[in-house]
Amino acid sequence: GENVEQHPSTLSVQEGDSAVIKCTYSDSASNYFPWYKQELGKGPQLIIDIRSNVGEKKDQRIAVTLNKTAKHFSLHITETQPEDSAVYFCAASYRDSSYKLIFGSGTRLLVRP
Amino acid sequence: NAGVTQTPKFQVLKTGQSMTLQCAQDMNHEYMSWYRQDPGMGLRLIHYSVGAGITDQGEVPNGYNVSRSTTEDFPLRLLSAAPSQTSVYFCASSRGQDTQYFGPGTRLTVL
Repeated sequence: GENVEQHPSTLSVQEGDSAVIKCTYSDSASNYFPWYKQELGKGPQLIIDIRSNVGEKKDQRIAVTLNKTAKHFSLHITETQPEDSAVYFCAASYRDSSYKLIFGSGTRLLVRP
Repeated sequence: NAGVTQTPKFQVLKTGQSMTLQCAQDMNHEYMSWYRQDPGMGLRLIHYSVGAGITDQGEVPNGYNVSRSTTEDFPLRLLSAAPSQTSVYFCASSRGQDTQYFGPGTRLTVL
């Protein structure tokens, strides 16, 4: 079955610096890769997603890149702000169905003011 | 729209007790899912539904039952709670191959 590995588990950056979180997936049939942000005591919220027919997608300070050959994708946050501090999860679709997601183990991002 | 709502927010059970976690959405989404979140393990899919009357198993279905009698509601049942089911449970819904919206979660402790 599908497996998603996420690194690092924790990441501390200075405000204004960039943050990069990386994920690898095992099932080459996966075609949908969302990223979720989870704040304390709340449910995950989608921040950006990418489908397998696209190599890169950007939304203001957030970008995601996908390398289908290597089966890995990354989240890039530029000009980090304290409000970016949260837990971030990557996910991959399971059996070609984006409503069934396999999640990575999460990255706790701390942005130091 | 209220989005995805879950009740209760917190629950403590004794081993062997049963209970139902409620999930409702008012966005007319056909797809609904249940996940559990444990420390260091991300979220794992328990059961999902692609429409009223249709359910299927995810990664970790054992010990849980679901049903989908209406588009809006997707309850998760624990028939005989075990300490291993202590977790935070999230319900999610989506319209087709689109964004999944998550509820606020239910924190369950089984003693």
